[in-house]
Amino acid sequence: AQKITQTQPGMFVQEKEAVTLDCTYDTSDPSYGLFWYKQPSSGEMIFLIYQGSYDQQNATEGRYSLNFQKARKSANLVISASQLGDSAMYFCAMREGLSGAGSYQLTFGKGTKLSVIP
Amino acid sequence: DTGVSQDPRHKITKRGQNVTFRCDPISEHNRLYWYRQTLGQGPEFLTYFQNEAQLEKSRLLSDRFSAERPKGSFSTLEIQRTEQGDSAMYLCASSWGGTGELFFGEGSRLTVL
Repeated sequence: AQKITQTQPGMFVQEKEAVTLDCTYDTSDPSYGLFWYKQPSSGEMIFLIYQGSYDQQNATEGRYSLNFQKARKSANLVISASQLGDSAMYFCAMREGLSGAGSYQLTFGKGTKLSVIP
Repeated sequence: DTGVSQDPRHKITKRGQNVTFRCDPISEHNRLYWYRQTLGQGPEFLTYFQNEAQLEKSRLLSDRFSAERPKGSFSTLEIQRTEQGDSAMYLCASSWGGTGELFFGEGSRLTVL
């Protein structure tokens, strides 16, 4: 089974509107971290936001927030007030194991291509 | 610029040739990773170094692939006897630990003809 599932190959959003990008994950490890990255056409992966499995509150970073529903194993990214520069591929990723122990590798989903319409 | 840098950015080679990519991580980061990304897919983990020690290798890393980080600073990824299936973007990333956030370079795109 895939560890990270992103079911939306592509999404469109009107400029200044909010958009939610879906991500579900699969792990039996109680300690894990969830990440979202943005990949513009230039190719560089840009870190957006992180949520730890024991974090009580949903993570927020500026216009990005992570809707973390642990029981449902979902970690959706919410982008508020979309801008034209938000058009890019967005990847959800997971690291299993506590910080300082276990593997540091990230497992990525297949991504969602977001297009912001003026 | 203090980010992760990769060289070359683009490489076109003929099948059977050897290629080498270099990655210079962020200077204070002790962890370095190589990932491969093919068209339409997310990055796939290849290997991981902590300082100069190669601690993990993916099954994707066949015996034609070798990675080194000789002094715990820059790293090289060599592919011997390239095949068309090796055509991909090779991404390098570094981190210092903590939450495990990875800082990526812009990648080295390999095309094998």
